[in-house]
Amino acid sequence: AQSVSQHNHHVILSEAASLELGCNYSYGGTVNLFWYVQYPGQHLQLLLKYFSGDPLVKGIKGFEAEFIKSKFSFNLRKPSVQWSDTAEYFCAVKTNQAGTALIFGKGTTLSVSS
Amino acid sequence: EAGVTQSPTHLIKTRGQQVTLRCSPISGHTSVYWYQQALGLGLQFLLWYDEGEERNRGNFPPRFSGRQFPNYSSELNVNALELEDSALYLCASSLRGGGQYFGAGTRLSVL
Repeated sequence: AQSVSQHNHHVILSEAASLELGCNYSYGGTVNLFWYVQYPGQHLQLLLKYFSGDPLVKGIKGFEAEFIKSKFSFNLRKPSVQWSDTAEYFCAVKTNQAGTALIFGKGTTLSVSS
Repeated sequence: EAGVTQSPTHLIKTRGQQVTLRCSPISGHTSVYWYQQALGLGLQFLLWYDEGEERNRGNFPPRFSGRQFPNYSSELNVNALELEDSALYLCASSLRGGGQYFGAGTRLSVL
């Protein structure tokens, strides 16, 4: 069965530190890839998505992610985090085999201290 | 433009009861998805509706069902509630094959 792994359950950073959140998936075919963010008390928001083309995807709020097909990875990055980036981040994959359902990772909680 | 709206925001039910959750998609979106976000289990896919038809369902028992109306809004029904059904139920909508946009969810507590 397809699955999505997010390596870090909880990441703690100081403001201005660089961020990289890992995401790996298990599926050999064509995938669409997504990162969602859930700020405290708010609903899930789409941060960025990859469907095809340039594997380096830029999203909102200065986030970017790189699709590395050979590593089945789609890591999320931000050069300099802010306190307002404190949130839970979910990686999700859509495969043809699963129809158009999203398969989510378990999420990574990011805490940024000012 | 309005986002995905869900109602009610909170529900408290007892075991064995039935519940109906509602979702209105973003205008123009024809696909509606339901997910369950239970503590410790992450987000799990429940159902997908597109153009009024059920297109796919996740690994949930038949007492989880739903439908999509001609205006693309959707209902999720859960019969014979069990304690483990306590969760946040999220609805998402998309254009067919596009990125999914989520509502704020309905928090269901089963006592």
